[in-house]
Amino acid sequence: DVVMTQTPVSLSLAIGQPASISCKSSQSLLGTSGKTFLNWILQRPGQSPKRLIYQVSKLYSEVPDRFSGSGSETEFTLKISRVEAEDLGVYYCWQGTHFPFTFGSGTKLEIK
Amino acid sequence: QIQLVQSGPELKKPGESLKISCKASGYTFTDYAMQWVKQAPGKGLQYMGWINTQTGKPTYADDFKERFVFSLETSASTAYLQINNLKNEDTATYFCARGHTLGYWGQGVMVTVSS
Repeated sequence: DVVMTQTPVSLSLAIGQPASISCKSSQSLLGTSGKTFLNWILQRPGQSPKRLIYQVSKLYSEVPDRFSGSGSETEFTLKISRVEAEDLGVYYCWQGTHFPFTFGSGTKLEIK
Repeated sequence: QIQLVQSGPELKKPGESLKISCKASGYTFTDYAMQWVKQAPGKGLQYMGWINTQTGKPTYADDFKERFVFSLETSASTAYLQINNLKNEDTATYFCARGHTLGYWGQGVMVTVSS
């Protein structure tokens, strides 16, 4: 199975500060279709996960543009340009290129 | 709007079975696969597998091949997860999620297995 390694484990940031989360995969996530199925989701406390970014860098329509994703092959990054209070929760990267899908262990974002 | 509404919490004893439902609305049920994800208390997300909503064919991740069964009631736009011979380690929240992009998630079903 593809191992997804996320860092850091946690972040404590003030409102307005930038955030950066790294996600590395144990093998390339570039699929035979030429697409890279690396995605990001956010699980707020007590809630189910919500979609954020798909195929590395594509934001879902409801996601604020302070979020961005980048990377290729095995190294990926989620960035928040300016953290807001509603951004707290656990961020997971996950890959959908290889079966079984696999998730990173999560990065907990706390607001100072 | 698109919704996945799951059944309520379950308290079971080891060795018992249960069946969780995931009712979809707001889209054509057979247009998207249904995925299942496990989250043990205080832990991360673990992918269980998926079911093809057009053919009913399930595909399981290795850890979920033995006692877990995915099924459908297409006329009711509902997917099911059955867990047989429950074990303490099955204590978790179980989510359904739509499609290969996991674009929409159910609210989760908390399952507690305890003697």
